[in-house]
Amino acid sequence: EPEVTQTPSHQVTQMGQEVILRCVPISNHLYFYWYRQILGQKVEFLVSFYNNEISEKSEIFDDQFSVERPDGSNFTLKIRSTKLEDSAMYFCASSRDTGLAGVALDTQYFGPGTRLTVL
Amino acid sequence: DAKTTQPTSMDCAEGRAANLPCNHSTISGNEYVYWYRQIHSQGPQYIIHGLKNNETNEMASLIITEDRKSSTLILPHATLRDTAVYYCIVRGRLGNQFYFGTGTSLTVIP
Repeated sequence: EPEVTQTPSHQVTQMGQEVILRCVPISNHLYFYWYRQILGQKVEFLVSFYNNEISEKSEIFDDQFSVERPDGSNFTLKIRSTKLEDSAMYFCASSRDTGLAGVALDTQYFGPGTRLTVL
Repeated sequence: DAKTTQPTSMDCAEGRAANLPCNHSTISGNEYVYWYRQIHSQGPQYIIHGLKNNETNEMASLIITEDRKSSTLILPHATLRDTAVYYCIVRGRLGNQFYFGTGTSLTVIP
């Protein structure tokens, strides 16, 4: 069964450094998402991406964050200058296109996550 | 998207059915009920979803009341590996994101 994969599983970085988290969505999916979960807290939406542009983003997704689909298979989340409070699990998800413009009704499938630790 | 209310925690004996309730009294006609679970710190795992009819798949059954204001996720024969946090999410057709609440922490007891 196809699944979303993420690398690395654990990333340790120094405060102020840039990090790139990578995701390979399910191959026939066209909607991509990033969520994060700070330890002991809820899973929070960051951003959704469709047709090479951001379709929705939360307040958390500020100018320090960016997303990119650099090729036909990868989907990345970049944090430009990490802060201590960016330490969290970051989950990538993907879903199919329903065929209706702008409507991602279909189920989102999540990857195993990347644990980001900022020191 | 409509808000959901779930019990904070539940226990279930191994081999018995686990029935996890969810209230979504403000659900509107075009909103779906989704269930996901999260085992420890793994990625949320899709379980099942429905609109108004009851649904069943290889993992679980979803019973939605006729007025759609509440639903129950049923794991027919709970195993220790079903210990997880279960999230009930209501999502509209045009929504892109899922709102995860605090969910129900299910512990399956040997």
